[in-house]
Formats: sequence, structure tokens, C-alpha cells
Amino acid sequence: AQSVAQPEDQVNVAEGNPLTVKCTYSVSGNPYLFWYVQYPNRGLQFLLKYITGDNLVKGSYGFEAEFNKSQTSFHLKKPSALVSDSALYFCAVREPYSNTGKLIFGQGTTLQVKP
Amino acid sequence: GAVVSQHPSRVICKSGTSVKIECRSLDFQATTMFWYRQFPKQSLMLMATSNEGSKATYEQGVEKDKFLINHASLTLSTLTVTSAHPEDSSFYICSAPWLADSTEQYFGPGTRLTVT
Repeated sequence: AQSVAQPEDQVNVAEGNPLTVKCTYSVSGNPYLFWYVQYPNRGLQFLLKYITGDNLVKGSYGFEAEFNKSQTSFHLKKPSALVSDSALYFCAVREPYSNTGKLIFGQGTTLQVKP
Repeated sequence: GAVVSQHPSRVICKSGTSVKIECRSLDFQATTMFWYRQFPKQSLMLMATSNEGSKATYEQGVEKDKFLINHASLTLSTLTVTSAHPEDSSFYICSAPWLADSTEQYFGPGTRLTVT
């Protein structure tokens, strides 16, 4: 069965430091991978996606993620964290062979950036 | 960019009543919309896939008679929670794939349902 795992419930980082939010996946076939961010009582906002091509994907708000097929990972990174980056982050994979775009989400990681 | 709206943003209802939540794609047509449920600080649980012009596809364990979905047009899907109970209290979020590029989905802002 397809699945997505975010091993950390919470990540704490000081403002200005680099951040990493981890994601690993288990799917058959070539995955479509996504990162979304959610602020309190809000819907999800798209950050970036990997479909094919360059393994390093750049997205919104200075975030990037690296697709690593051998490690089945798609970690989210940012060189310098901002306090405003504090939010709930979700990794997701599109269900393989789905023609409807159905997504499977990880359990989410709360990012806390302290001043 | 594409926008998906939800109405209402929050609703409080009494146990036993029904509540309708609307999901609209504002600047694109969506033949498919997804309905999710999210508990506090937890992930999104897909409830059902709403299909324009046909019946919704429900995920395992989701009661279709309790969570009625109607995809009346290419820009509107509704979720009706029938005979709501306190355990139905949750954050409900809809999403829709951008028709021209179904690899990307756009999410509504969510509806906070509280059943008293």
C-alpha cells in the first residue's frame, strides 16, 4: 500500500538557521510528490512538487526539496528560517496511476521557528 | 492562481440537525473535488471524491448516508453532514485539481464544524 511518513511531529529551529522537514514515501512506480503548508484554521497552501526532471525542486517562500529515489525521501529544506515559517507542513504523494489526482498525506510536522 | 472557496468558514449546530458545506472553484472548472476531514494537529483524512455528474466515491469507513456529497456543477460541490453528532465536530477541507494540470490541487480554506 502507498504511504507517506513524516517521522518528526515537531521541528524546532532558531530564526536564521537552516531547516529540514523530513518525508519518506512508499509507492509503486514513479511518485508525484508534494509539500503543503497549513497555518492555523486555514486550508493548505501549495509549496512545491516533484514530478520528473531535476531532483532539486524550488518552491514558494524560499523552500526547496530534494527527491532522492534511492532513499525514497523528499525532505523539505530552507537555508534560513523565518519566524513566519512556523506552521504545519504536510508531505503528500499522488496515488500512482490515479487520473483524479487523489493525494495521500503524511501525518504532518509542526515547524516552530524561534526568534 | 486558482482559488477554491468554502462556505461557511465556521458553523455551530445542534446535535441531530444537518449542515451543508459548499466548496466552489472560483476561476476554473473542476470535474473532481475531494473532501477531507482533519482533527486537531492531525493529518487530512480523505473522506470522498466528488465527481461532477455522477456519484461520489467514498473511502473505506466513511458513511455515505451520513456524509452526503453532491457535485451539482463544474464549480460546486456540497457536503451535507446529516443528523450531526458531537463526534462529527471537525475541520472539513475540500480541494480541486487544476483541470489543465491535475498534478496540482488547490485547497479551500476549510470549514470548522462544531456540533453541540
